[in-house]
Amino acid sequence: ELKVEQNPLFLSMQEGKNYTIYCNYSTTSDRLYWYRQDPGKSLESLFVLLSNGAVKQEGRLMASLDTKARLSTLHITAAVHDLSATYFCAVQETSGSRLTFGEGTQLTVNP
Amino acid sequence: AAGVIQSPRHLIKEKRETATLKCYPIPRHDTVYWYQQGPGQDPQFLISFYEKMQSDKGSIPDRFSAQQFSDYHSELNMSSLELGDSALYFCASSLVSSGYQETQYFGPGTRLLVL
Repeated sequence: ELKVEQNPLFLSMQEGKNYTIYCNYSTTSDRLYWYRQDPGKSLESLFVLLSNGAVKQEGRLMASLDTKARLSTLHITAAVHDLSATYFCAVQETSGSRLTFGEGTQLTVNP
Repeated sequence: AAGVIQSPRHLIKEKRETATLKCYPIPRHDTVYWYQQGPGQDPQFLISFYEKMQSDKGSIPDRFSAQQFSDYHSELNMSSLELGDSALYFCASSLVSSGYQETQYFGPGTRLLVL
């Protein structure tokens, strides 16, 4: 059974600081997704990582994938309050298959 | 751009009642997924359809059933509702046959409350 683990589960940080969220998974897969969810809202797609060594950046967020280590990271640079949300990584084992989500990281950025 | 549409957005039911949730995928997407998200939890996969055929089945209770119709919309039917069925139900769609990027785009969700 595929397991996906995120850490930390809760992250409180100050504006302007940097931090990294980690996502470990238990199977060989090169399909990893990052989503953002605001309270009570839908899941917004942030990044799609489809190969070993993939790195993608959008604004203050950068995601990377190491399929050999079965690890993805989401790096936050110079955090701002608007980034406060829950971030999920999700792994897809094969084409067209279900997403298995991590537990989510609840990020709070304080002024 | 068109997004995934779900209806209703909110639903209140009594125990042992039935509920039907509807999902309209992004036009030309060929795969629909249903997920259940309890309070403070991550989304859990229920069932999926590819080209109107069931393609995968997850932790969906026997009391639930789903189908995808000829116009690609999907319905999740829930019977004998229990308190524990209270959750946010998401539908997602993707284009699998593109052979490359298959981002699953999520709808706004249906919030079901069972009293």
